[in-house]
Amino acid sequence: AQKITQTQPGMFVQEKEAVTLDCTYDTSDPSYGLFWYKQPSSGEMIFLIYQGSYDQQNATEGRYSLNFQKARKSANLVISASQLGDSAMYFCAMREALTDKLIFGTGTRLQVFP
Amino acid sequence: GAVVSQHPSRVICKSGTSVKIECRSLDFQATTMFWYRQFPKKSLMLMATSNEGSKATYEQGVEKDKFLINHASLTLSTLTVTSAHPEDSSFYICSADPGGNTEAFFGQGTRLTVV
Repeated sequence: AQKITQTQPGMFVQEKEAVTLDCTYDTSDPSYGLFWYKQPSSGEMIFLIYQGSYDQQNATEGRYSLNFQKARKSANLVISASQLGDSAMYFCAMREALTDKLIFGTGTRLQVFP
Repeated sequence: GAVVSQHPSRVICKSGTSVKIECRSLDFQATTMFWYRQFPKKSLMLMATSNEGSKATYEQGVEKDKFLINHASLTLSTLTVTSAHPEDSSFYICSADPGGNTEAFFGQGTRLTVV
């Protein structure tokens, strides 16, 4: 069965610093997609970044980058130059290739302080 | 990006009544939509896969008679919480994928409170 693990229930980071949110996954499928979503207190799910299992390069989107280590089955999110508005829940998710289902990790609550 | 609209955003209902939540893909057709439930400070749990023109596929432990899903068109899926009880109070959110994309698009979510 597919599984996503986020071991950090909460993280603190000072404004303008970088922070890494951990995510490990487990799957027997050779083809899969890995996602990170941000969920502010309003509840909406905001897409941040995607990494395909066959992608050779680590994905980057502005201040977000994904540290993809396939052999270790990890897909950590790195947020550079943290901003106060980055304070939110962050979810790692994996999409099954056959069903398109998104399976979510338990999330990490990030708090950015001045 | 593609837009998924979910309505209502908040609803309060009495125990024993039914509540319908709509999920619409506004600018694309979605043969498949997904319904998730989220308890406070918890993760999103997949409830069911909504399939256009056929029965929904429910995840293990989800009561299909309690959570009725209808995907009557390529742009609309509905989730009906039947005979609601206070323990059904939760945040429900849908998602849809235009296909061929790397991103799943989410509705705004519905906060259901059963009193």
